[in-house]
Amino acid sequence: EVQLVESGGGLVQPGRSLRLSCAASGFTFDDYAMHWVRQAPGKGLEWVSGISWNSGSIGYADSVKGRFTISRDNAKNSLYLQMNSLRAEDTALYYCAKDRTFYGDEGGAFDIWGQGTMVTVSS
Amino acid sequence: QTVVTQEPSFSVSPGGTVTLTCGLSSGSVSTSYYPSWYQQTPGQAPRTLIYSTNTRSSGVPDRFSGSILGNKAALTITGAQADDESDYYCVLYMGSGISRVFGGGTKLTVL
Repeated sequence: EVQLVESGGGLVQPGRSLRLSCAASGFTFDDYAMHWVRQAPGKGLEWVSGISWNSGSIGYADSVKGRFTISRDNAKNSLYLQMNSLRAEDTALYYCAKDRTFYGDEGGAFDIWGQGTMVTVSS
Repeated sequence: QTVVTQEPSFSVSPGGTVTLTCGLSSGSVSTSYYPSWYQQTPGQAPRTLIYSTNTRSSGVPDRFSGSILGNKAALTITGAQADDESDYYCVLYMGSGISRVFGGGTKLTVL
């Protein structure tokens, strides 16, 4: 069964850091780009960051650029999101999503989603 | 900064046909934006419906179809059913690296 399982969410104070993880199974992880997508409570979906199969292409939304770092470990079938300098507006459910392509560029799209991990930034 | 636009809400009668659209605050959507569509019901993770403008994801019934209509991407639901009542999001590839942008989503009511 193809599956993505996120972990690492929780309550954190503004300005602190948190690292999210996504464990992949049921497919050849290093054949696909991967993404993080978030959804603030009661709001729409927002693309946060993406990484190609070989980490050669990485992108961030302007809202997180310079604060968040995406990475992957193909040997461990895992995707990560290091979140620094967290703000209240980063409070959201964070989804890990698989891309249907190697590079996540032309023709790319999310095709498998995890159930999400909740991040709450509050003092 | 380019904004991806969607109707905030739409309603359709059971059995009816509805077309949701996905546009740009500046410019036209074409197949080069590789529009994709996602369905989300409350409390659930999104489900992928359409990618690359008009290709249905595995297991998606053929009453969901994607296209370009005029200067926008479109998602058409034919023969709407009660369980189609969901939020629908489009995503556009902005032509640079791996970046994507979501539309604000359309809340579809079936009544």
